[in-house]
Amino acid sequence: EVVMTQSPATLSVSPGERATLSCRASQSISIFLAWYQQKPGQPPRLLMYDASTRATGIPARFSGSGSGTEFTLTISSLQSEDFAVYYCQHYDSWPLTFGPGTRVDIK
Amino acid sequence: QITLKESGPTLVEPTQTLTLTCTFSGFSLTSSGVAVGWIRQSPGKALEWLALIKWDGDKRYSPSLRSRLTIIKDTSKKQVVLTMTDMDPVDTATYYCAHRRDYSHFDPWGQGILVTVSS
Repeated sequence: EVVMTQSPATLSVSPGERATLSCRASQSISIFLAWYQQKPGQPPRLLMYDASTRATGIPARFSGSGSGTEFTLTISSLQSEDFAVYYCQHYDSWPLTFGPGTRVDIK
Repeated sequence: QITLKESGPTLVEPTQTLTLTCTFSGFSLTSSGVAVGWIRQSPGKALEWLALIKWDGDKRYSPSLRSRLTIIKDTSKKQVVLTMTDMDPVDTATYYCAHRRDYSHFDPWGQGILVTVSS
């Protein structure tokens, strides 16, 4: 089983600042990684897939990078609507697994 | 537009069997590469993938829950049903179903259903 870890657990950022979230896989997953955003009381929303492809309707301030075991989600200039929890998920093999999440809150 | 909606009991007693239905629209579960998965989230916790059924009938389960899960599809009704046996309070969670295509990510997700296990 591929174990996904995320860091930091919580990221405190001021609006307008850059946020960098990390996701690590316990073994190589190529680029088979997705990022989701989840706000309270809502289901997860797809942000990124194949590590760096933005999903439909996702603003350009979101970008993804990485391959193998190390991945990054960057939010270039945080907007008020971006404060949420972010999860990574691999789909390289079975079982599918998610990371524990990174909470981005207002500094 | 693809939509999914979960339905089922919101309260089950310990040891009972949970049956959840995902009713979807906007896609066909007979189309190549399409799948529907179930994912749950305990209160305040992370996401946990449970099971998935593909367009060709192939089924995949979380190894840790395999013995308790069954997933089936009814393509004519556009439904996917998940059953989980021997429910325990630790299974209290919001259960989501989600569309998957091309062996990739989940998108979109249903709104979820909160299931509480309590006597």
